[in-house]
Amino acid sequence: AQSVTQLDSQVPVFEEAPVELRCNYSSSVSVYLFWYVQYPNQGLQLLLKYLSGSTLVESINGFEAEFNKSQTSFHLRKPSVHISDTAEYFCAVSWVQGAQKLVFGQGTRLTINP
Amino acid sequence: DTGVSQDPRHKITKRGQNVTFRCDPISEHNRLYWYRQTLGQGPEFLTYFQNEAQLEKSRLLSDRFSAERPKGSFSTLEIQRTEQGDSAMYLCASSLGGLSGNTIYFGEGSWLTVV
Repeated sequence: AQSVTQLDSQVPVFEEAPVELRCNYSSSVSVYLFWYVQYPNQGLQLLLKYLSGSTLVESINGFEAEFNKSQTSFHLRKPSVHISDTAEYFCAVSWVQGAQKLVFGQGTRLTINP
Repeated sequence: DTGVSQDPRHKITKRGQNVTFRCDPISEHNRLYWYRQTLGQGPEFLTYFQNEAQLEKSRLLSDRFSAERPKGSFSTLEIQRTEQGDSAMYLCASSLGGLSGNTIYFGEGSWLTVV
């Protein structure tokens, strides 16, 4: 069975500081990897995803994540955060073969302090 | 561009009552999903449809829960004899099926409070 572990439930950082949100997964088969963001009182929005090819994927708002197969990780990073990045971030996996179904981690609440 | 829409956004109900949530997916999407999210947790898969066929149900979906997608377009999720433990946000999502890596788009959720 697949599982996703987000190692930090809360991450407070100062504005313009770098941030890393950690995600590790466990699976016996190949997976696709996703990061979703949830702003207060809203649904989830896809931030970025890794399907194949380059292990470094980027989003349009400056986030990036790197797939590391040997460490089964997919950490999310941003070199300089903004107040508007305050949100809950969820890492998720789905099987490459079979049902297209997301399994989520418990989420990391990112709080940006001025 | 019309995204996934859910109705109602908020519902407060008394324990023992039935509630129904509706989801309208993105129009060309043939796959529709229901997830449940409780405070401080990630979304948990409940069930999904390929067109009108319900292909998988989680063990989380007790027999008090039923989901339908009668014409392969909108879907309803009904909870009968609600319990306080049913209080959560119910998220609907849709995707263009066929490839596991296709993006799954989520609605804004329907909050249920059982008092």
